[in-house]
Amino acid sequence: EVQLVESGGDLVKPGGSLRLSCAASGFTFSSYSMNWVRQAPGKGLEWVSSISHSSTYIYYADSVKGRFTISRDSAKNSLYLQMSSLRAEDTAVYYCARRPAAIDAFDIWGQGTMVTVSS
Amino acid sequence: QSALTQPRSVSGSPGQSVTISCTGTSSDVGGYNSVSWYQQHPGKAPKLMIYDVSQRPSGVPDRFSGSKSGYTASLTISGLQAEDEADYYCCSNAGSYTSVFGGGTKLTVL
Repeated sequence: EVQLVESGGDLVKPGGSLRLSCAASGFTFSSYSMNWVRQAPGKGLEWVSSISHSSTYIYYADSVKGRFTISRDSAKNSLYLQMSSLRAEDTAVYYCARRPAAIDAFDIWGQGTMVTVSS
Repeated sequence: QSALTQPRSVSGSPGQSVTISCTGTSSDVGGYNSVSWYQQHPGKAPKLMIYDVSQRPSGVPDRFSGSKSGYTASLTISGLQAEDEADYYCCSNAGSYTSVFGGGTKLTVL
């Protein structure tokens, strides 16, 4: 079964750091670009970051640029999001999502992990 | 990276059709044939319903269809069913590997 499972969400103080993980299974992880998408409580979806299959291309939303770092480890079939200088507005459910090369869309999503930034 | 514009809510009765619009700019919707639509039920992860403007993934009912004209993409759901009640989000390529979502539309089946 094709599956993405996020972990690492937690309650963190403003200015703090956190690392999210996304474990992939059921498909050839190294063949797909991967993304992080977040959703603040009661709000819409916001694209956060993407990484190409070989890690050559990495992009960030302006709202997180310079504070978040996306990475992947194909040996561990895992995607990561290192978050630093966290702000209250970063509070959200963070989803990892797969993007196939053949279609420009996110075809598989994880269940999400909650990040709360509060003092 | 401004969000695409969607109506906040739409509604329809069972069996009817509804259309949800998604308006962007020449830098996103108007510049690429890469609009996708996602369905999200409360507390659940989004589900891909339409990709590349009008293509349906395997398993998505043909009641769901997509189109685009200029800077506006549309999702049409025909033969509304109770289980279609959900939030719907459009998404567009905004250059290279970046993406932008719409603000979301709540569909109510009356």
